[in-house]
Amino acid sequence: GESVGLHLPTLSVQEGDNSIINCAYSNSASDYFIWYKQESGKGPQFIIDIRSNMDKRQGQRVTVLLNKTVKHLSLQIAATQPGDSAVYFCAENNAGNMLTFGGGTRLMVKP
Amino acid sequence: DVKVTQSSRYLVKRTGEKVFLECVQDMDHENMFWYRQDPGLGLRLIYFSYDVKMKEKGDIPEGYSVSREKKERFSLILESASTNQTSMYLCASSPGQVRVNQPQHFGDGTRLSIL
Repeated sequence: GESVGLHLPTLSVQEGDNSIINCAYSNSASDYFIWYKQESGKGPQFIIDIRSNMDKRQGQRVTVLLNKTVKHLSLQIAATQPGDSAVYFCAENNAGNMLTFGGGTRLMVKP
Repeated sequence: DVKVTQSSRYLVKRTGEKVFLECVQDMDHENMFWYRQDPGLGLRLIYFSYDVKMKEKGDIPEGYSVSREKKERFSLILESASTNQTSMYLCASSPGQVRVNQPQHFGDGTRLSIL
């Protein structure tokens, strides 16, 4: 079946730089997308979401961009900090109204 | 803030045992979910429930059952534990009916080892 995927399994950035984590989805019927952060030993933590009638949404230091034409989702983290080091998952709410999760991207922040 | 509490962080059981994993949420959410998380496979849905006493199979329900006797509590049951059920188990909840777009909120997981 259709599933969410990620381009890069590991992303290493310098502290203070901006991070961009990408996600490709294949189900054109998906109408809702979520980014989660999972730190070691913890469960996924909700970061930000976006509905398909939007192409951009901003939170505190994070921005999610949605490009429905190419079925692409990205998470931008401004001024990346050591505390941002974690695994980031995208998820889509597909036609079955269940969340399908990507495999995750590990973000490593170098001091 | 939403609080999803899983009763055990670590659990070790033996093959053939009946295992209960408990999850409680404090936000009066209608929907509750059980996932397992394995390296390289991501999160996979085992069962979900959108109301008390209601349950639906997810993608990998074999070898598992669930119970939802109260709105705040969702239990995952391994009827006869096997070594291939060694995994991280995550419980989640979300408000409203399944068709309403709302984020799921997760507990911190139970790392289950079957010997």
